Amino acid sequence: NAGVMQNPRHLVRRRGQEARLRCSPMKGHSHVYWYRQLPEEGLKFMVYLQKENIIDESGMPKERFSAEFPKEGPSILRIQQVVRGDSAAYFCASSPAPDEQYFGPGTRLTVT
Amino acid sequence: EDQVTQSPEALRLQEGESSSLNCSYTVSGLRGLFWYRQDPGKGPEFLFTLYSAGEEKEKERLKATLTKKESFLHITAPKPEDSATYLCAVQARYGGSQGNLIFGKGTKLSVKP
Repeated sequence: NAGVMQNPRHLVRRRGQEARLRCSPMKGHSHVYWYRQLPEEGLKFMVYLQKENIIDESGMPKERFSAEFPKEGPSILRIQQVVRGDSAAYFCASSPAPDEQYFGPGTRLTVT
Repeated sequence: EDQVTQSPEALRLQEGESSSLNCSYTVSGLRGLFWYRQDPGKGPEFLFTLYSAGEEKEKERLKATLTKKESFLHITAPKPEDSATYLCAVQARYGGSQGNLIFGKGTKLSVKP
């Protein structure tokens, strides 16, 4: 059973560009979560999704950030008009129920 | 406000020197407490879930315990390969979606041969 997959693993964007981060959950997992980890900071919750539904986006910045988990295909975290402060590691996790979560390897976003 | 505090921030041990990592939490009803291990440049790796005070779980050299206010991760006779950052997280029973995890900043463990 393959683990949570994220791509790309590393992403470099210039200020003002868009970043698209993809996450394929583990087989059989319908719950997906996105977290952000800044240097020297803990993991911070961003958004919780189930297929075609956003369950909780309380940790998501109000502007420029959006997430989706379509009926078919991976979950996408989209950051529009990136700024230097968006540079971080973004982790996706999945679970079969809102319980223990299994994390992917992360996408490291660098904004230049 | 729900929060998690881990101590110490960093811990250096000699191989074979047992010790404990602490995770103190305040949460509006505990749904679950989770321990993860994170190696540099990688995602967190799930270790344990604890649900109620008095519960204990073991895996190889690691043992996790839970009280009403804190959890301990005991490491017995550690080896260099146990070197990593250990993360503690809680899931609240009330408020929000009960889905998100609230993480501490972690304890960075170094085990020297």
